[in-house]
Amino acid sequence: GENVEQHPSTLSVQEGDSAVIKCTYSDSASNYFPWYKQELGKRPQLIIDIRSNVGEKKDQRIAVTLNKTAKHFSLHITETQPEDSAVYFCAASRIPTFGRGTSLIVHP
Amino acid sequence: GAVVSQHPSWVICKSGTSVKIECRSLDFQATTMFWYRQFPKQSLMLMATSNEGSKATYEQGVEKDKFLINHASLTLSTLTVTSAHPEDSSFYICSAKSGLAETQYFGPGTRLLVL
Repeated sequence: GENVEQHPSTLSVQEGDSAVIKCTYSDSASNYFPWYKQELGKRPQLIIDIRSNVGEKKDQRIAVTLNKTAKHFSLHITETQPEDSAVYFCAASRIPTFGRGTSLIVHP
Repeated sequence: GAVVSQHPSWVICKSGTSVKIECRSLDFQATTMFWYRQFPKQSLMLMATSNEGSKATYEQGVEKDKFLINHASLTLSTLTVTSAHPEDSSFYICSAKSGLAETQYFGPGTRLLVL
């Protein structure tokens, strides 16, 4: 089955800095890679996704890159703000499999 | 956008009782629904996948006789935790998707506490 590794588990940045979260996956048949943001006690919210026929996708301050050969994909958040503080999960979704999560803390 | 609801949001029960959690897609037909369990500060662990009108497919290590899943309509799936014990206390979240679409829409979750 699919195995998704996510790093780092915790990421602490200053407001305005960039944050990068990385994930690797094992199943070469996976072709859809969403990223979710989950605030404490709430549901995961889809923030961006990428499909295997695309190498990069950007939405305002958020971008995702995918390297299918190496089986890794990354989330990039620029100009971080305190409200970006949350747990972020990557997933590889032929069978939905989530990474362990990254707790992002943005210090004002 | 697509909306998924869950009921109840909170449930406290005594050990040995059964608890039913409902997951509804409010504005789309959910051909597939997923049930996850999330322990504090951990990731979402997929428990089972259910397709409307079919038996659920359970992930390895998930007891199908303990976690009964019914997906009888295109807008409703239920998870029943039978004979609940304190170790079943967790945050249960459903998600739903339509047809071949890849995007899942998550419910708000149900926090279960078994005393």
